[in-house]
Amino acid sequence: DTAVSQTPKYLVTQMGNDKSIKCEQNLGHDTMYWYKQDSKKFLKIMFSYNNKELIINETVPNRFSPKSPDKAHLNLHINSLELGDSAVYFCASSQDFSRAEAFFGQGTRLTVV
Amino acid sequence: AQSVTQLGSHVSVSEGALVLLRCNYSSSVPPYLFWYVQYPNQGLQLLLKYTTGATLVKGINGFEAEFKKSETSFHLTKPSAHMSDAAEYFCAVTKGGNNRLAFGKGNQVVVIP
Repeated sequence: DTAVSQTPKYLVTQMGNDKSIKCEQNLGHDTMYWYKQDSKKFLKIMFSYNNKELIINETVPNRFSPKSPDKAHLNLHINSLELGDSAVYFCASSQDFSRAEAFFGQGTRLTVV
Repeated sequence: AQSVTQLGSHVSVSEGALVLLRCNYSSSVPPYLFWYVQYPNQGLQLLLKYTTGATLVKGINGFEAEFKKSETSFHLTKPSAHMSDAAEYFCAVTKGGNNRLAFGKGNQVVVIP
């Protein structure tokens, strides 16, 4: 069974569209994250949720809105997509807020054309 | 804020030779340190971690790293490279008890037959 799963794996869309990426973890972890990996492979944290509560919100445009319906799911919705949003988005989870060891999903490669 | 420096974006190593990837960190408090590996089109997988205790840490696939506080380093080594070690390697740091991982820019390892 996949521990952290994201869908879709690939997403190609036009500028201005709204899209969502879904993430689920079956590890029983309390904390979930979204990371963005740019074209130079640089990884940066975007958001972190602990038990459905937002605890980290980096400087991310408010077009990005995470939603956590329960502690096993953390979805990422992006409005009005821009070319610069093209990247690989990784979902991750950790046992709790104090444990930095994160388990990553396979990533979603978003291409905005 | 914590930060990580990984020098040399591309590292070429002959099959059977020593793999050495350098990681230096800056942190105002005792750090937790991690090495992750990313295979092509995959998510990140934890290789090893240092939190407290023994400074020489052994990980999966024959990798190990040594925490040297005096040098603010956490270099990754493997005595003998295999073709399967070709991947991107990321060093990451966080403050103890803080789950915000800060990643280095990564090293692309190429193994030459």
